[in-house]
Amino acid sequence: DVKVTQSSRYLVKRTGEKVFLECVQDMDHENMFWYRQDPGLGLRLIYFSYDVKMKEKGDIPEGYSVSREKKERFSLILESASTNQTSMYLCASSLDFADGSPLHFGNGTRLTVT
Amino acid sequence: DAKTTQPNSMESNEEEPVHLPCNHSTISGTDYIHWYRQLPSQGPEYVIHGLTSNVNNRMASLAIAEDRKSSTLILHRATLRDAAVYYCILGLGNNAGNMLTFGGGTRLMVKP
Repeated sequence: DVKVTQSSRYLVKRTGEKVFLECVQDMDHENMFWYRQDPGLGLRLIYFSYDVKMKEKGDIPEGYSVSREKKERFSLILESASTNQTSMYLCASSLDFADGSPLHFGNGTRLTVT
Repeated sequence: DAKTTQPNSMESNEEEPVHLPCNHSTISGTDYIHWYRQLPSQGPEYVIHGLTSNVNNRMASLAIAEDRKSSTLILHRATLRDAAVYYCILGLGNNAGNMLTFGGGTRLMVKP
């Protein structure tokens, strides 16, 4: 089974701090994704990557950046955390785009910015 | 991006079949139809996906309308463990820019 591991289950940070959310997948998947999930808003795509060092903006990239230096690792960076970035963050991976490969999700990181 | 429309909630009795509908009238020819479900305090879990033909797997069946503008996820015998939010989403075709968008999903409640 594919395993997508997010480094922290819960995280509390202060406003203005730089925050790193880490995600690792163990199945040599090409694509990796970062979503945030908020009540009433569903899951919204922040960024995705379809190859090492490649990234594409999703629906809500403002205030975030990403890094993919190795195929198995995809990091989400909040350069200066703000209270409106308090949310559940979900990482996912998929094999490729060609055949509609399904997404495999981690269990999420609940980030609170105070 | 193509969007989907689902009922906010549905209720079912245990051991009865459940049909979860999804409308996607703006689907493009390369969009796959995916279904995921999310249990409390967990990330979404893949259920099933298809392009044009109906699909079956150990978890569920996916019935896709001939014009592909709607689909139905079928749980053949609902159990209490099937209570979750079910998401119907489009995307991950052969275009890297065709991104997945998750809507609000359908909250399925299963009564014993």
